[in-house]
Amino acid sequence: DAKTTQPPSMDCAEGRAANLPCNHSTISGNEYVYWYRQIHSQGPQYIIHGLKNNETNEMASLIITEDRKSSTLILPHATLRDTAVYYCIVRRHGSGNTGKLIFGQGTTLQVKP
Amino acid sequence: GAVVSQHPSRVICKSGTSVKIECRSLDFQATTMFWYRQFPKQSLMLMATSNEGSKATYEQGVEKDKFLINHASLTLSTLTVTSAHPEDSSFYICSAMGGQSSGNTIYFGEGSWLTVV
Repeated sequence: DAKTTQPPSMDCAEGRAANLPCNHSTISGNEYVYWYRQIHSQGPQYIIHGLKNNETNEMASLIITEDRKSSTLILPHATLRDTAVYYCIVRRHGSGNTGKLIFGQGTTLQVKP
Repeated sequence: GAVVSQHPSRVICKSGTSVKIECRSLDFQATTMFWYRQFPKQSLMLMATSNEGSKATYEQGVEKDKFLINHASLTLSTLTVTSAHPEDSSFYICSAMGGQSSGNTIYFGEGSWLTVV
């Protein structure tokens, strides 16, 4: 599975949009971009995933560049409860061969009042 | 999203004993489950992939005889830490893969803290 690069930490003001970048320049055609977050001492929480089109759900939006070499997770109105470690993971999909999730170091997002 | 439950959430055991952690998918069937461990201030490390009805596949460097994994049904996988030692103290997290209807998304349990004394 392709490797991802994320900044180790970011700050965001409460109520503002948090934009978390991720580079995955070696992504291949059957690999999806997944985002999870982990709040301290809890299991990771699924946020969103996508292949090449932008995706939006009740938690966040995922913007993937046209060449698919990078993406941005957007939390539109960050709250203090969004403080967590955010993981961008590239995961292979394929018939009978859906890949596992390999975690990197992620980005620690600190939302400040 | 789908719910994955782990039990116990915290356990303390004596050195040399074995401890079992359960992972259940509550509202979906999971043919594949995964087990991770996480040390303080570190990322999650994949230990093994568990497939229902077959032997688990362990990641390089993980001792299969020490970390026994059983996936006897489509909703339950167990991890048994055998002959536990203080260095096995860690946060153990399981995850389960939903079916095609959920896009094969993987959902995580709440984690289990193991302390070996």
